Amino acid sequence: GAGVSQSPSNKVTEKGKDVELRCDPISGHTALYWYRQSLGQGLEFLIYFQGNSAPDKSGLPSDRFSAERTGGSVSTLTIQRTQQEDSAVYLCASSLGGVGTEAFFGQGTRLTVV
Amino acid sequence: GIQVEQSPPDLILQEGANSTLRCNFSDSVNNLQWFHQNPWGQLINLFYIPSGTKQNGRLSATTVATERYSLLYISSSQTTDSGVYFCAVHASGGSYIPTFGRGTSLIVHP
Repeated sequence: GAGVSQSPSNKVTEKGKDVELRCDPISGHTALYWYRQSLGQGLEFLIYFQGNSAPDKSGLPSDRFSAERTGGSVSTLTIQRTQQEDSAVYLCASSLGGVGTEAFFGQGTRLTVV
Repeated sequence: GIQVEQSPPDLILQEGANSTLRCNFSDSVNNLQWFHQNPWGQLINLFYIPSGTKQNGRLSATTVATERYSLLYISSSQTTDSGVYFCAVHASGGSYIPTFGRGTSLIVHP
């Protein structure tokens, strides 16, 4: 596609429910990143995928968070048993891959846990 | 890991003024990007600038990698420049993950 696409744009969920957030990277980009941005804060790294390699999960805040990337393209971030502190904007980015390549971001998914 | 510090944290300008935003980093890098996050939350790529100087319209950026800093210049600011400006770096040594500073929040008044 022309840019990184994320869905849904907004998600309101009840505490304790599971949610899935989707990211469709730029065509041909092998690297994909998930970040989280809480209100008024900077970007917190969550997870990184590069091609078929094992993902770097070092930023995931708890075992309630997981992500997968199917066929080296679309990625899904899953949050189980959501808590109010999970409320944030979840941003996805992709790049050509390799060291130091330019990253491009989607518009984000705003998650609100009530 | 690498530390990225941005200054100032907040900046308020009158339309037409010039400004300089700074990004300091604690270790050598092989990439540096500047982003503008608009009021709708979208991160817009401004510059991919591991070293040297680049210009794009009223914006320009300079990275001095040997001294571990980058500067973003905004000239003749406009209200549409409002938002948060982020610097992100890839640390040298094979880092694949951009590390972000906390950003500079800019408000331009008409």
